[in-house]
Amino acid sequence: EDQVTQSPEALRLQEGESSSLNCSYTVSGLRGLFWYRQDPGKGPEFLFTLYSAGEEKEKERLKATLTKKESFLHITAPKPEDSATYLCAVREGDTGFQKLVFGTGTRLLVSP
Amino acid sequence: GAVVSQHPSRVICKSGTSVKIECRSLDFQATTMFWYRQFPKQSLMLMATSNEGSKATYEQGVEKDKFLINHASLTLSTLTVTSAHPEDSSFYICSARGADWTSGLGDEQFFGPGTRLTVL
Repeated sequence: EDQVTQSPEALRLQEGESSSLNCSYTVSGLRGLFWYRQDPGKGPEFLFTLYSAGEEKEKERLKATLTKKESFLHITAPKPEDSATYLCAVREGDTGFQKLVFGTGTRLLVSP
Repeated sequence: GAVVSQHPSRVICKSGTSVKIECRSLDFQATTMFWYRQFPKQSLMLMATSNEGSKATYEQGVEKDKFLINHASLTLSTLTVTSAHPEDSSFYICSARGADWTSGLGDEQFFGPGTRLTVL
């Protein structure tokens, strides 16, 4: 069964202090790796989809990269409003029913 | 685009009663909807996958007679927790996968805001 491991479990940064979150996965055939942001008491908000090693995507202060075994979410000069839990998920299954397997997330706290 | 709503956002009920949660895709058609459950400080656990007009596929360990799922249209799915008990208290989140390729929506899952269920 596919597995997704995220690290660190929690991360505290000062405003402006760049860092990276890690998502490592084991999957027989990657059909998409997804990054979501989740605020407390709310549903996940879609950020990025990556499909193949070497692919990169950016959105504001966030940049997601993908290798054959892991993905990184780079946060450049974070602001307090970037504080949230960041979830990584891989898609498994053949065509038709394809479900997401989520990691346990990284709780990010950015202090002013 | 790609907005998913859930109703209610919060519900408190007595043990033994049934609770229905609605999930709607507001601006796109969703052939597939998913229901998740999330415990505090834990990740999302998939409960079931439903396709419009067909029976839901439940994950191992999820009681289909307790968690009734109906996907009556391309924009609406409902989850009914029957005879709820305190251990059913949790955060329930639905997601929808877009079917409208012409709008540029890929096959990402878009999530609703969640429903906090508390069973007394």
